[in-house]
Amino acid sequence: AQSVTQLDSHVSVSEGTPVLLRCNYSSSYSPSLFWYVQHPNKGLQLLLKYTSAATLVKGINGFEAEFKKSETSFHLTKPSAHMSDAAEYFCVVSEAGGYNKLIFGAGTRLAVHP
Amino acid sequence: GAVVSQHPSWVICKSGTSVKIECRSLDFQATTMFWYRQFPKQSLMLMATSNEGSKATYEQGVEKDKFLINHASLTLSTLTVTSAHPEDSSFYICSARDGFREFFGPGTRLTVL
Repeated sequence: AQSVTQLDSHVSVSEGTPVLLRCNYSSSYSPSLFWYVQHPNKGLQLLLKYTSAATLVKGINGFEAEFKKSETSFHLTKPSAHMSDAAEYFCVVSEAGGYNKLIFGAGTRLAVHP
Repeated sequence: GAVVSQHPSWVICKSGTSVKIECRSLDFQATTMFWYRQFPKQSLMLMATSNEGSKATYEQGVEKDKFLINHASLTLSTLTVTSAHPEDSSFYICSARDGFREFFGPGTRLTVL
């Protein structure tokens, strides 16, 4: 069965410094992986997705993630944090077959300080 | 981008009553919609998968008689929480799938007194 583990429940950075949100996945085959962001009172928004093409995936708002099969990781990064990046981030894996259900990680809350 | 709406955005009800939550895809047709539940400071848990014109597929541990799902058209799915109890208080989120893309609604916060 597929699963994702987000290694940090909370991450705090200063504005203008790099962001690293860690995610490890478990899958018996090549998975589809996603990062979603959830702002308060707003719907989940897709940041980026990996579907077995380029291992370095660029998303919206300057975020990117690298798929590393040898490390079973899909960490999310951004070179310079902005105050508006403060939100909850979810690493997600798509289950194979059937309806390709999404399986969410526990989430990482990102705080950005001035 | 595609938009998914939910109504109501929040609802407070008395224990024992039923509550209906609507999920609409506003600018595309969604053959498949999903219902999730999110407890405070926790992740989203899939409750059920809803297909237009057929019965919903529930995840293990989700009571189908308690959480009634109807997917009457390609743009509307409803979740009815029957005989709600305080432990049903949660944030309910729907999503609608257009091909390989999945779009999420803003969520409905249910509080059962």
